[in-house]
Formats: sequence, structure tokens, C-alpha cells
Amino acid sequence: SQQGEEDPQALSIQEGENATMNCSYKTSINNLQWYRQNSGRGLVHLILIRSNEREKHSGRLRVTLDTSKKSSSLLITASRAADTASYFCATDGTGRRALTFGSGTRLQVQP
Amino acid sequence: DAGITQSPRHKVTETGTPVTLRCHQTENHRYMYWYRQDPGHGLRLIHYSYGVKDTDKGEVSDGYSVSRSKTEDFLLTLESATSSQTSVYFCAISAKVSSNTEAFFGQGTRLTVV
Repeated sequence: SQQGEEDPQALSIQEGENATMNCSYKTSINNLQWYRQNSGRGLVHLILIRSNEREKHSGRLRVTLDTSKKSSSLLITASRAADTASYFCATDGTGRRALTFGSGTRLQVQP
Repeated sequence: DAGITQSPRHKVTETGTPVTLRCHQTENHRYMYWYRQDPGHGLRLIHYSYGVKDTDKGEVSDGYSVSRSKTEDFLLTLESATSSQTSVYFCAISAKVSSNTEAFFGQGTRLTVV
């Protein structure tokens, strides 16, 4: 079963708007990562947040983590058409040596 | 892109035939992974390796085997391909166990079993 589940499954916004994607997971984690996948390409790492962190920023990206609720959110501010892609959260946990991915959010940014 | 090459990039094969996918890295990373990606399922781990000749199963390992005889190569074999193994396969690498570092992904192999 999937460790992480993203919500919504699909999101369509206008350029300049903010996009928020959520991820829920089931077991305790060491960290949570967000990846981006352009159509037909491999995944690219965006940002990592550790379990003892609550918020992290990188450029136009803001990630929050709430370990009590086992959830994370990814905010992309001032979106651009080039942000159109699928976004995945990935988690690991004690004893696991590989990342577990959610099913992803497909983001469409209309120019 | 990190130095990861998957081959072939596309393959069509018949049911019952063996298929081997190759992942080659030039980063000297210890950890290598094979995932499959299907609509509605995200990426699911098939097998991974934590060193030469050290491998372990993931959540969807049935019907697949792997081998890692040297650091740079990680092979995924479908002993007898089935239509349910039609998917996009991604190889990934990481320098450390995943808890502390990002994973780098190859471009994927699209496999169609007819």
C-alpha cells in the first residue's frame, strides 16, 4: 500500500496563483521529500524536510510538516506555466532503506 | 541529470519472454533502486540494492529479479513477462540511505508486454 497519498489528484490554476498540494502518510518517518516529474521524464528532487522541522523554504517552494497529523503540504507561490508537472511526496522511516512514494498531484498551470 | 542511464528506453516484448532492463550510474553511489510507475499508483518499489551483490525486495517484487555484480550496474529481469508488467520502469540512485539524502532518477524505460 502507498505510504504517502497526495491530495488533490489534479489541480488546475492560472499563472501567478499559488498552488497547494497535500500529502498524508501512515507510519513514522525520518524525513519527507517532494519530487517533481515533467511528462515523460524522471523525477527530480525539490526539497527535503526532516521530521524535527516544521517548515522549510526554497525559492518559491514552501513545505510544511505536521508529524502529529502525519501530513505535509507543498506550496508553490506565483506559479508559472513551467511549473506544470506531477508532484510526489516521498517518505522513509525506521528500518526502511528506500523511499515510498505517493500517487502524485498533477498540476496544470494555465498561461 | 545525474549520471544515470537506463537502457533500453522503450521495449515491446511478447508475453512469456524474458526481459532485462539495465541501469548504469557514473556517480559511484551505493544505493540503487528499481521502481515501476503505473497510473493511479505512483511509484512502487520493486527491488533495491545497498551494495554489490546486496539486494532486497520491495513491495511489488513478484515476477522480478535483480542483480548487481558491480557498483555501477543494476539489472532488473522479468523472467517471463506478463501483460501486468507493462509499465514505466525507473531506476534511482542515492549516495546514502534515503533518510538523509535525495534520490536521483533515470529517464525511465517504457515496457509494453503484448
